[in-house]
Amino acid sequence: NAGVMQNPRHLVRRRGQEARLRCSPMKGHSHVYWYRQLPEEGLKFMVYLQKENIIDESGMPKERFSAEFPKEGPSILRIQQVVRGDSAAYFCASSQAGTVGYGYTFGSGTRLTVV
Amino acid sequence: GQNIDQPTEMTATEGAIVQINCTYQTSGFNGLFWYQQHAGEAPTFLSYNVLDGLEEKGRFSSFLSRSKGYSYLLLKELQMKDSASYLCAVLYNFNKFYFGSGTKLNVKP
Repeated sequence: NAGVMQNPRHLVRRRGQEARLRCSPMKGHSHVYWYRQLPEEGLKFMVYLQKENIIDESGMPKERFSAEFPKEGPSILRIQQVVRGDSAAYFCASSQAGTVGYGYTFGSGTRLTVV
Repeated sequence: GQNIDQPTEMTATEGAIVQINCTYQTSGFNGLFWYQQHAGEAPTFLSYNVLDGLEEKGRFSSFLSRSKGYSYLLLKELQMKDSASYLCAVLYNFNKFYFGSGTKLNVKP
């Protein structure tokens, strides 16, 4: 009975490389949310997706960042040409059919370090 | 977003009571959540308030006043393991959480 699974747990990339972060929602959950957390800060909303649809991407930087949630497979957060400022923890959460009465279930996060 | 404000850091003594406040913008409000986050770990759900009043769950209680845009998390009989960040999150328009920056609680012996 796996929860929200994120991988990798830690990711190191050189400036200019691409980072791919994966999130598999809880079984039965069709809604996925990505958040970014800088050190000593709270979580900042990035994007909200359903299967094959982006519902709200108002928190996504306009360039270099993209997200998808295909019909099959995990949700992917992709960061192209990473810079040092992209270093952060990226958390994925999922919910069932958009209901959030008891909050999200978060994955353990991917800690991205850009060197 | 949505001006969710909470103190940056608090310190309390083991066995004591501590209250962590949170204020938020009221327009579009659909519920308020408190999460606990230990360093390097994912946030875990603590409590949920949608109506005014106090919700009690063991040593933790959470209060909400919708008209004032105000909530607090009350932790009783503090234990060392309660040292963590406490995040206030507000659900707006039924589809998105906004999080405060978190309150880092230091529990001292």
